[in-house]
Amino acid sequence: AQKVTQAQTEISVVEKEDVTLDCVYETRDTTYYLFWYKQPPSGELVFLIRRNSFDEQNEISGRYSWNFQKSTSSFNFTITASQVVDSAVYFCALSEAYSGAGSYQLTFGKGTKLSVIP
Amino acid sequence: DAGVIQSPRHEVTEMGQEVTLRCKPISGHNSLFWYRQTMMRGLELLIYFNNNVPIDDSGMPEDRFSAKMPNASFSTLKIQPSEPRDSAVYFCASSTGTGYSYEQYFGPGTRLTVT
Repeated sequence: AQKVTQAQTEISVVEKEDVTLDCVYETRDTTYYLFWYKQPPSGELVFLIRRNSFDEQNEISGRYSWNFQKSTSSFNFTITASQVVDSAVYFCALSEAYSGAGSYQLTFGKGTKLSVIP
Repeated sequence: DAGVIQSPRHEVTEMGQEVTLRCKPISGHNSLFWYRQTMMRGLELLIYFNNNVPIDDSGMPEDRFSAKMPNASFSTLKIQPSEPRDSAVYFCASSTGTGYSYEQYFGPGTRLTVT
């Protein structure tokens, strides 16, 4: 069974500080996808990034960066120079295929609530 | 370009009543997902459609829940009869392809309260 663990339930930082959100996953598949989603106070979930299991390159998008390490089964998310607008709940998710019927399983972590204080 | 549309945004109903939640996916997306979010259980996938066909409904809690997708632009999630423990935010999401490897785009959610 697959599992996603976000050990940090809540994090508070002061604006302009850097912050890293941890994500550790478990899977038996060799082919899988990892995602990060953001859920701001307004409630909708916003896609941030997708990474497949064969691509361990780190990714940077503006102030956001992601560190994927298969050796430790981790897919961590760093926000540089945090801003108040970054305040949200961030979810890490794992998707893997099972059976030949096209069905699959997407598992979300419990989320990390980030509060950026001005 | 319109995103995923859900209605209603809020629903308050009494125990025992039928509740129908509606979703219009993004045009051109052929996978549709229904999720439930609660504080206790987090985000749970309820059912997944591909090309209007239910592929995996193993997440549907019990027979009181049913979902349909009569065409590519509309899906419903029905709860009959509703119970207080069904209170949650229900999200609909859509994606391209089979959904396995593609990012999903979520609607704003329907906050359901069953009293």
